[in-house]
Amino acid sequence: NAGVTQTPKFRVLKTGQSMTLLCAQDMNHEYMYWYRQDPGMGLRLIHYSVGEGTTAKGEVPDGYNVSRLKKQNFLLGLESAAPSQTSVYFCASGSGGPLNTEAFFGQGTRLTVV
Amino acid sequence: GENVEQHPSTLSVQEGDSAVIKCTYSDSASNYFPWYKQELGKGPQLIIDIRSNVGEKKDQRIAVTLNKTAKHFSLHITETQPEDSAVYFCAASVTSGTYKYIFGTGTRLKVLA
Repeated sequence: NAGVTQTPKFRVLKTGQSMTLLCAQDMNHEYMYWYRQDPGMGLRLIHYSVGEGTTAKGEVPDGYNVSRLKKQNFLLGLESAAPSQTSVYFCASGSGGPLNTEAFFGQGTRLTVV
Repeated sequence: GENVEQHPSTLSVQEGDSAVIKCTYSDSASNYFPWYKQELGKGPQLIIDIRSNVGEKKDQRIAVTLNKTAKHFSLHITETQPEDSAVYFCAASVTSGTYKYIFGTGTRLKVLA
């Protein structure tokens, strides 16, 4: 059982380049999330989705776009990368509902923008 | 806006001692409080959680307490072991609607052998 899989695991971008981070989950979860993790700032929510075809902004959405065309996939896009987007990015998924509250995380993508 | 504060940011304890990490939250509608452990190079993993209708929950050496009135919740690890060394995150969530998880800033726990 793979759980939540993120690709790529590492990436170096030049300022202004674009890229897409892919998150795939095989648990049939409705809810998916993208977080960024920076030293001393914990995990901050970028965007999230409450179901296929839906997306919503989190705490720090500027400079990012997302799409949820298929239930199992949640894509995070950077149209024009900036050094401030250097971070570790985590995808998570959850089934939602008052009794099914655990969020499962991927292994992370370390992105460096130079 | 919604906010979760976590203290301390770093914590060093001798093996066998107890460790306590504290969090406060701002959204009075929050009703679910998970704790995650993150080991080096890995994603966070749930270790224990508590809901707002419960004041305390234990799982072997780990316990979590919740004070809804004060909007405080804490993680207690007893008889610490070197493998407990990791970064711990608290989070608060509302179990309806969007199920967003707002995380604290993390505590780096070092257990000294």
